[in-house]
Amino acid sequence: EDQVTQSPEALRLQEGESSSLNCSYTVSGLRGLFWYRQDPGKGPEFLFTLYSAGEEKEKERLKATLTKKESFLHITAPKPEDSATYLCAVRSNTGNQFYFGTGTSLTVIP
Amino acid sequence: EPEVTQTPSHQVTQMGQEVILRCVPISNHLYFYWYRQILGQKVEFLVSFYNNEISEKSEIFDDQFSVERPDGSNFTLKIRSTKLEDSAMYFCASSVADRAPLHFGNGTRLTVT
Repeated sequence: EDQVTQSPEALRLQEGESSSLNCSYTVSGLRGLFWYRQDPGKGPEFLFTLYSAGEEKEKERLKATLTKKESFLHITAPKPEDSATYLCAVRSNTGNQFYFGTGTSLTVIP
Repeated sequence: EPEVTQTPSHQVTQMGQEVILRCVPISNHLYFYWYRQILGQKVEFLVSFYNNEISEKSEIFDDQFSVERPDGSNFTLKIRSTKLEDSAMYFCASSVADRAPLHFGNGTRLTVT
């Protein structure tokens, strides 16, 4: 069965303190790994898509990387406005649905 | 930037009543989805819709649920007889192509009393 596990569940960082979020996945043929940001009471906001191992994507203070088993979302010098829940989702070759992890709740303290 | 819009933002209904949740996907998108998120839990797939028919549905999407694209812009989710456990945030999403990312609306919070 396709599965996505995210760690840690929650992360508190001081402003400027870089860190990484992990997304481990088990899927029967990866057709894409997606990172989203979700603010309270809002829908997930698309950040990145990664399709193959070795691929990297970058946007402002965020960088996503992908291996055959996991993806990392690296946050460099975070600011308080980066506080949100970060969701990872995968899509397999066997269907249309996206499988979401439970997310990492990030809090950046000024 | 184009966005997915959902109405209403909050719906309160009594158990056993029918509800219709409405969505306007991004105009050039071809693939449409409904997901739900129970408070504190992960985002769960309900159904995908392409070319005017359901392409995939989850075990959650039983006979009480239905979807419709009544015209060229709206996409609806109907729950015929709501249960307490249907209380959740319901998200509509759309994508422009098969491997493209999903773009989500801000959801409808459904509360069944």
